[in-house]
Amino acid sequence: EAGVAQSPRYKIIEKRQSVAFWCNPISGHATLYWYQQILGQGPKLLIQFQNNGVVDDSQLPKDRFSAERLKGVDSTLKIQPAKLEDSAVYLCASSLEGGPYEQYFGPGTRLTVT
Amino acid sequence: EDQVTQSPEALRLQEGESSSLNCSYTVSGLRGLFWYRQDPGKGPEFLFTLYSAGEEKEKERLKATLTKKESFLHITAPKPEDSATYLCAVQGTGRRALTFGSGTRLQVQP
Repeated sequence: EAGVAQSPRYKIIEKRQSVAFWCNPISGHATLYWYQQILGQGPKLLIQFQNNGVVDDSQLPKDRFSAERLKGVDSTLKIQPAKLEDSAVYLCASSLEGGPYEQYFGPGTRLTVT
Repeated sequence: EDQVTQSPEALRLQEGESSSLNCSYTVSGLRGLFWYRQDPGKGPEFLFTLYSAGEEKEKERLKATLTKKESFLHITAPKPEDSATYLCAVQGTGRRALTFGSGTRLQVQP
């Protein structure tokens, strides 16, 4: 069974530029999550989707971050404009609907903002 | 607000030297406590889910236990390939997403 796919794996941008990340979850997983992991810390939830709808975006900096999940499958996370403090690993995870079910994580995208 | 604290932050063991990692938590109604392993440059890898106090689960050299306030990850006779960061997370009834601790970085020397 294929795991969670993410791209790109690495991205370096200058502050005030924009960037987008892509995620393809495990087939059949209705719930998709985006986490931010700063070096030395655990992942922190940015946004959670249930099929196409947003379940929790309470910790998403909405003035600069946006996310969408089209057709209940793939998802994109965008940052515009980026700040230095956005340097982190962005992790996508998916799980079955309901639960509590374990979440399966992709390899992440390491973002460096200079 | 759900909170997870892991200790120690870092642990260095000799191969074969057993030890335990601690995860203390506060949550408004526990739906599940999760243990993950994370290798450098990779996403977290699922290990265990514990649902209620007194529950235990085992996988190879790892054993996870749960009380009403904390969970322990026991590592028996570790090998160098067990070196990784171990993350603990909780899911409460008030929030569907996981709240993670900062992890314990384990290094097992041959």
